[in-house]
Amino acid sequence: NAGVTQTPKFQVLKTGQSMTLQCAQDMNHEYMSWYRQDPGMGLRLIHYSVGAGITDQGEVPNGYNVSRSTTEDFPLRLLSAAPSQTSVYFCASSPSGGPQAGELFFGEGSRLTVL
Amino acid sequence: AQSVTQLDSQVPVFEEAPVELRCNYSSSVSVYLFWYVQYPNQGLQLLLKYLSGSTLVKGINGFEAEFNKSQTSFHLRKPSVHISDTAEYFCAFSGNTPLVFGKGTRLSVIA
Repeated sequence: NAGVTQTPKFQVLKTGQSMTLQCAQDMNHEYMSWYRQDPGMGLRLIHYSVGAGITDQGEVPNGYNVSRSTTEDFPLRLLSAAPSQTSVYFCASSPSGGPQAGELFFGEGSRLTVL
Repeated sequence: AQSVTQLDSQVPVFEEAPVELRCNYSSSVSVYLFWYVQYPNQGLQLLLKYLSGSTLVKGINGFEAEFNKSQTSFHLRKPSVHISDTAEYFCAFSGNTPLVFGKGTRLSVIA
């Protein structure tokens, strides 16, 4: 069972570079989301999607773009990396929105360092 | 504004002792409450949830939590912890917004 797959697991970038964090799920989940985890800050929502073609901003969307062209994939793009984006990023999915959107299935995380 | 507060950032406890991890929330609408656990270098996994019905909910690994609407709390408890329970625990809720997480409580079980 693959579940939620994130790639890459580790990445080092220089300030100003761009990159895409990939997220794929094979559970046919409608709801997908991206969080970042920083020490002492818990998890903060970056962007989320309630279905293909629909995306919305979370608490900390600045500097990030997303798209949802298929049910399975939800890539996160960093347009011009900054040291403040050094973090661990988690992709998570859920069968649907509403209360069930709290029952998230998480990937293993992508650790990003921006120099 | 909706928010969730975990009152302790770190909780050390001896093996086989009971533990309570505290969580309070603030919301003007009905909420759905969750506890997640994160083991080192892993993603989060759902421990238990409260959506409706009985206010005492049981989860995996012997954990339980009680929803207290009057005190706006959802504390997590385990009567006897094991070394393997060492992890970070996150309280979270969703109301009319996507899931909001607390800042986490690091549980350290001491042999």
